[in-house]
Amino acid sequence: QVQLVQSGADVKKPGASVKVSCKASGYTFTDYYMHWVRQAPGQGLEWMGWINPNSGGTNYPQKFQGRVTMTRDTSISTAYMELSRLKSDDTAVYYCARDTPTFDYWGQGTLVTVSS
Amino acid sequence: QPVLTQPPSSSASPGESARLTCTLPSDVNVGRYNIYWYQQKPGSPPRYLLYYYSDSDKGRASGVPSRFSGSKDASANTGILLISGLQSGDEADYYCMFWPSNAYVVFGGGTKLTVL
Repeated sequence: QVQLVQSGADVKKPGASVKVSCKASGYTFTDYYMHWVRQAPGQGLEWMGWINPNSGGTNYPQKFQGRVTMTRDTSISTAYMELSRLKSDDTAVYYCARDTPTFDYWGQGTLVTVSS
Repeated sequence: QPVLTQPPSSSASPGESARLTCTLPSDVNVGRYNIYWYQQKPGSPPRYLLYYYSDSDKGRASGVPSRFSGSKDASANTGILLISGLQSGDEADYYCMFWPSNAYVVFGGGTKLTVL
């Protein structure tokens, strides 16, 4: 069965970077784009971009360009999302989601807390 | 970046129907796009429910009851999620999503559905 398992919660100081992982299993990792979506406490879903695990190509919305980097390691079927220059309003649950293009499978979410 | 507008809240009684709306900007024709719907319960990632393009091009995720259906109101430039025979377990946040281009994704702000 398809599973996306994300890394555990993390606490960072303002200005630092965070890297969240998403390990895929149950399907061929390179066959489907992977997206990242975040959700601030009590707020809605916000799309952060995608990575093509086959080519490594990425696409980010303007809001995150220059601050987000999505990578992958095909040898271990894992996608990564790194967000730099963290601010307090980056505190959120970060999700990976498989693109079919229906976002049919989601990771369990990773809480990133930005606090001094 | 286009914005999808959802009413923040909606309520209905058990057994009744709930009609949740997702309005596209006036310069973006709802008739040209798939509209995707997700359900999210507290502490869980979103769950993909269905997509709707037209009566001949639509689909529900595996395991989603036929009580959940999609449609469009072209006159209001709106995508619609209809939940019939409401149950207490349907109480959740509901998000719509679409792809304004092949490369970008937009989520609506979400509607909190209360089953009275």
